[in-house]
Amino acid sequence: SQKIEQNSEALNIQEGKTATLTCNYTNYSPAYLQWYRQDPGRGPVFLLLIRENEKEKRKERLKVTFDTTLKQSLFHITASQPADSATYLCALDMRRDDKIIFGKGTRLHILP
Amino acid sequence: DTEVTQTPKHLVMGMTNKKSLKCEQHMGHRAMYWYKQKAKKPPELMFVYSYEKLSINESVPSRFSPECPNSSLLNLHLHALQPEDSALYLCASREGGNSNQPQHFGDGTRLSIL
Repeated sequence: SQKIEQNSEALNIQEGKTATLTCNYTNYSPAYLQWYRQDPGRGPVFLLLIRENEKEKRKERLKVTFDTTLKQSLFHITASQPADSATYLCALDMRRDDKIIFGKGTRLHILP
Repeated sequence: DTEVTQTPKHLVMGMTNKKSLKCEQHMGHRAMYWYKQKAKKPPELMFVYSYEKLSINESVPSRFSPECPNSSLLNLHLHALQPEDSALYLCASREGGNSNQPQHFGDGTRLSIL
């Protein structure tokens, strides 16, 4: 069956450390993988997109990797801050229709 | 502020009421979406409109009726809802054409069914 799994439901990280979130998928062949941030009571906000032929993408303190052999994406936040506390969602884009498929999300807490 | 505007922000309705949710975007995006999100769960796709035509219906009960009057507007008409329909309803839009475009979400309508 097709699955998208994000490593943990919740993750606590000390301020200043690097937070690493994992997104694994099975029986999908995404052309693109996206990461979104969602704060309580708000809609998801797009952060980064990585293509199937890209290994790594960076934006300021954010880094995403994409390994199509392992069927895994890693999302890193360096020098984490309490303001980075939120739910982070990975999403797969198959390129065949307008759908993207969301993982369940990881609630990240950055502890001061 | 988001570029996708949803109204109302909150809605409380009885099971026999009829109400509508509204979504508006002025980014020229050609795909628009309705999602339902329960607490601590990911957004769950309901409907997709592409070029103002319904392209995806994820087997949503008929008590939810979408409408796309024009390329900037998306409505969700609600009738005879059940308590389990209480959730955050999110609208999103996407530029389309190339699927390497992200979705832009509104902040949702928090719906409570009494």
